[in-house]
Amino acid sequence: EDKVVQSPLSLVVHEGDTVTLNCSYEVTNFRSLLWYKQEKKAPTFLFMLTSSGIEKKSGRLSSILDKKELSSILNITATQTGDSAIYLCAQTTSGTYKYIFGTGTRLKVLA
Amino acid sequence: DADVTQTPRNRITKTGKRIMLECSQTKGHDRMYWYRQDPGLGLQLIYYSFDVKDINKGEISDGYSVSRQAQAKFSLSLESAIPNQTALYFCATSGDSDEQFFGPGTRLTVL
Repeated sequence: EDKVVQSPLSLVVHEGDTVTLNCSYEVTNFRSLLWYKQEKKAPTFLFMLTSSGIEKKSGRLSSILDKKELSSILNITATQTGDSAIYLCAQTTSGTYKYIFGTGTRLKVLA
Repeated sequence: DADVTQTPRNRITKTGKRIMLECSQTKGHDRMYWYRQDPGLGLQLIYYSFDVKDINKGEISDGYSVSRQAQAKFSLSLESAIPNQTALYFCATSGDSDEQFFGPGTRLTVL
């Protein structure tokens, strides 16, 4: 059964630190991997990575897909208290539009 | 106005009651999803629909049913609510890309 595993489960850092969040997937017929940020309620989209787009960047956030290792990382540099959230990753597979989510990483950034 | 709306936003009910959660979207997307979120368990897929005639069970469909009344509307029902269905419920849509758009969520408490 397809599975997405995120690590660490939780993380506490201070403002200005750089963090790396991990997401590994076990899936055949991979199509895409997505990262979401969830603050108080609904998840909001950050990045989508595919076999043809393995690196994305937006401001202080960046993400890389490692197809060989079946994993992805989300980097946040110069963290701010507003980065405090749960970060979710999800993968999709070819031939279906189901999404398999990991359990998330809870990030807390202290002032 | 929000693209994906859910009603109600909060609901407290008693064991054995029938509950319906509603989702509407203005994005024109064909694919709609219902997820459940429990602390530490990420998002679990309950049901998904690719159009009004296509309904599919997700990983935790037992105890739930759905209705796709129109392209824009997808309802989730709990026929006889039980306390372990207390959770945060999200509706989501997706279109041509894999990016999903989430509603604000419904917090359901079953006493």
